[in-house]
Amino acid sequence: AQSVAQPEDQVNVAEGNPLTVKCTYSVSGNPYLFWYVQYPNRGLQFLLKYITGDNLVKGSYGFEAEFNKSQTSFHLKKPSALVSDSALYFCAVRDATSGTYKYIFGTGTRLKVLA
Amino acid sequence: NAGVTQTPKFRVLKTGQSMTLLCAQDMNHEYMYWYRQDPGMGLRLIHYSVGEGTTAKGEVPDGYNVSRLKKQNFLLGLESAAPSQTSVYFCASSHHAGTGEETQYFGPGTRLLVL
Repeated sequence: AQSVAQPEDQVNVAEGNPLTVKCTYSVSGNPYLFWYVQYPNRGLQFLLKYITGDNLVKGSYGFEAEFNKSQTSFHLKKPSALVSDSALYFCAVRDATSGTYKYIFGTGTRLKVLA
Repeated sequence: NAGVTQTPKFRVLKTGQSMTLLCAQDMNHEYMYWYRQDPGMGLRLIHYSVGEGTTAKGEVPDGYNVSRLKKQNFLLGLESAAPSQTSVYFCASSHHAGTGEETQYFGPGTRLLVL
């Protein structure tokens, strides 16, 4: 069975400081990994994904994430946080070798960037 | 392009009533998904479809039915609503997953309250 864990319900960071939102996953096969962001009263928006290739993936709004197979992690990072980055962030995984198209989402991490 | 739209935006039902949520996309996507979002639970996949006329169960399918009669539409039905189905429902669509182009585009959500 596949699963995703986002161990922090909330992350607080000062504007201008680097930020990290953690995600670990468990799949029996080959993971496809995603990050989405949700602003208040909106649907989710895609940030970035890891399918194959370079372990460091760059996405929208200056975000990046590193796929670490040995630690089964896919942490989201940004070098310098903005107040406008404050939102709810979701990590998701699909087992690409499962033969199904079920995406498992984490419970979300609320990022608060303080001015 | 409107992207992914959902109808209605908000609905109140009494226990035992039925209703249908409509999702429409104008991006010619093959895949469509229905999720529910509950506090502390993240997003959970209810049903999904990999093409017109096909549907498959997700993580939490009980109490819901779906139909995909046209490529652009994906309907979610509640035959006999229960208070446990109070949630925010999101529809999403994507190109053929498995090609690497499996970014999901989400609708704005439908807030459902079952009394």
